[in-house]
Amino acid sequence: GDSVTQMEGPVTLSEEAFLTINCTYTATGYPSLFWYVQYPGEGLQLLLKATKADDKGSNKGFEATYRKETTSFHLEKGSVQVSDSAVYFCALTVYSSASKIIFGSGTRLSIRP
Amino acid sequence: KAGVTQTPRYLIKTRGQQVTLSCSPISGHRSVSWYQQTPGQGLQFLFEYFSETQRNKGNFPGRFSGRQFSNSRSEMNVSTLELGDSALYLCASSFGDGGGETQYFGPGTRLLVL
Repeated sequence: GDSVTQMEGPVTLSEEAFLTINCTYTATGYPSLFWYVQYPGEGLQLLLKATKADDKGSNKGFEATYRKETTSFHLEKGSVQVSDSAVYFCALTVYSSASKIIFGSGTRLSIRP
Repeated sequence: KAGVTQTPRYLIKTRGQQVTLSCSPISGHRSVSWYQQTPGQGLQFLFEYFSETQRNKGNFPGRFSGRQFSNSRSEMNVSTLELGDSALYLCASSFGDGGGETQYFGPGTRLLVL
């Protein structure tokens, strides 16, 4: 079945460090890929998305590229800030049931000042 | 533009009771999906309603049900509550066009079953 596997957390970095959170997927057909972020006590916010192979999603300094050959969608940011501390979820949808989001387990990120 | 709203935000119930949660989507959105978030199971899809009809369903027992009204507002009901139903319940709304469209999440209802 369709699934998402992402890097286990928690991840702790110092401010201005480089961030990578790995995400790989298994899906039938051609999925759309997403990164969601959840700040403490809040719901989920879409961070970025890519709907076809080689697309790059970007937002707030975060980037991820849809790699069909490696079935990956790794999240990167060149210089993290304390305000980036949150839980990050990699996710996918498939066209046949596009409203159903399949989430990874989430990666908790903490940034030290 | 107002976001997705969920009521109530917090709820405490006892085993065996039932509960109804409400979700008001963004204006113009016809699709509402529900998710359960727990520390052990993560985020799991419950079901989706589109134009008052259930369009997709996850793997939850029949105790979990929902409905959607003509104004696209949706309710989710859980009957005969179990301790394991304690979770954050999130709803998300979208136009329902599929194909990688963005879904917008509400803040969630945190349910505690004692």
